[in-house]
Amino acid sequence: LAKTTQPISMDSYEGQEVNITCSHNNIATNDYITWYQQFPSQGPRFIIQGYKTKVTNEVASLFIPADRKSSTLSLPRVSLSDTAVYYCLPWGGYNKLIFGAGTRLAVHP
Amino acid sequence: DVKVTQSSRYLVKRTGEKVFLECVQDMDHENMFWYRQDPGLGLRLIYFSYDVKMKEKGDIPEGYSVSREKKERFSLILESASTNQTSMYLCASSRTGTGALSGANVLTFGAGSRLTVL
Repeated sequence: LAKTTQPISMDSYEGQEVNITCSHNNIATNDYITWYQQFPSQGPRFIIQGYKTKVTNEVASLFIPADRKSSTLSLPRVSLSDTAVYYCLPWGGYNKLIFGAGTRLAVHP
Repeated sequence: DVKVTQSSRYLVKRTGEKVFLECVQDMDHENMFWYRQDPGLGLRLIYFSYDVKMKEKGDIPEGYSVSREKKERFSLILESASTNQTSMYLCASSRTGTGALSGANVLTFGAGSRLTVL
């Protein structure tokens, strides 16, 4: 199982770009890297998924270097509503899925 | 959209009661999971299932059991509830597959069931 390491917390201001990096040194060949967002009293929800290089969708970008031992979630121009906990999860779908502690992002006015 | 529905949003039970938490998904997902989440401890995996009638223990299965008689339904059972099982319980499902951006191996969570054991 790929163990992940993320910053415990980050602070930002509205309108800034936020980059959260996750390290997963023992990622397996068949693991995809998925990022989730969780608000208080709700279940995590999917943000973005990738295998390598760069993926972009309407809410975020995901950068994965060639060695795949880390990934960076990029949130452009954050707003107060982006205050949440963010989790990165490498997973291939065939073993138990363990969440790490995540990164608590606080966006300030 | 995939929907994962948990039967009860809030429950209050007494110590020693048998508690059933039901989870139903409507997108034919193969995989289903039960987590609990407590402040400062994050999400902890209780049980998961990759197919009907199959179950695997997660990190904290003690005091819990599960049932998956139908593909769409995954039930968490507390045989004799205790106060240390007061928590938020989250059910999730995913489908198995391969391929980047295919949507496989992405968890969809229910809204959660907040259980209080008195």
